[in-house]
Amino acid sequence: GEDVEQSLFLSVREGDSSVINCTYTDSSSTYLYWYKQEPGAGLQLLTYIFSNMDMKQDQRLTVLLNKKDKHLSLRIADTQTGDSAIYFCAESMASGGSYIPTFGRGTSLIVHP
Amino acid sequence: NAGVTQTPKFRILKIGQSMTLQCAQDMNHNYMYWYRQDPGMGLKLIYYSVGAGITDKGEVPNGYNVSRSTTEDFPLRLELAAPSQTSVYFCASSYSVLGSGVGETQYFGPGTRLLVL
Repeated sequence: GEDVEQSLFLSVREGDSSVINCTYTDSSSTYLYWYKQEPGAGLQLLTYIFSNMDMKQDQRLTVLLNKKDKHLSLRIADTQTGDSAIYFCAESMASGGSYIPTFGRGTSLIVHP
Repeated sequence: NAGVTQTPKFRILKIGQSMTLQCAQDMNHNYMYWYRQDPGMGLKLIYYSVGAGITDKGEVPNGYNVSRSTTEDFPLRLELAAPSQTSVYFCASSYSVLGSGVGETQYFGPGTRLLVL
């Protein structure tokens, strides 16, 4: 199965909170990331969390990590139409002397008025 | 800084043709990566490099070759294009030091859209 799993779509109303979920399989993951991809563009790092943390907050973004369940979530408060994009969860761990991240398939966030 | 740049932005190839996708970064990053992105499939790692002169295969290396003669450049070569290589290709770079606690923040280029007919 996939190393990193995400649901493919999420639709929310403008002003509501969005919660995008991700599960991963490797308990030795060191860093977990959220990237945003807008149409026709490359991926842009939104935030990351080190595996010894439970939560990280950055303005409208809150990342929660449950290591026991291998579950990562990204909460976007007061979601705006500009937040419509694909959000990728990724994990990385040291392997053979390198950190090589593994990406999920991405969650398409659709924000409607 | 320009960050990570990729050329061309878009290309149409005939089956069996060859081409090189260019990637350059000006951030003095040691790691560089090539991914392909197919619709609904996320990113698949093709090749990566941990420094000049060192390359290694990723998840889907067949049909591709890379070289890393300088820190800045990491070209991806398609020798015999096939329709299965129709995709969007992303180059990325990062600065990584194992054991230092430095995170793997990857910086992505804008992508090259390749269509093989």
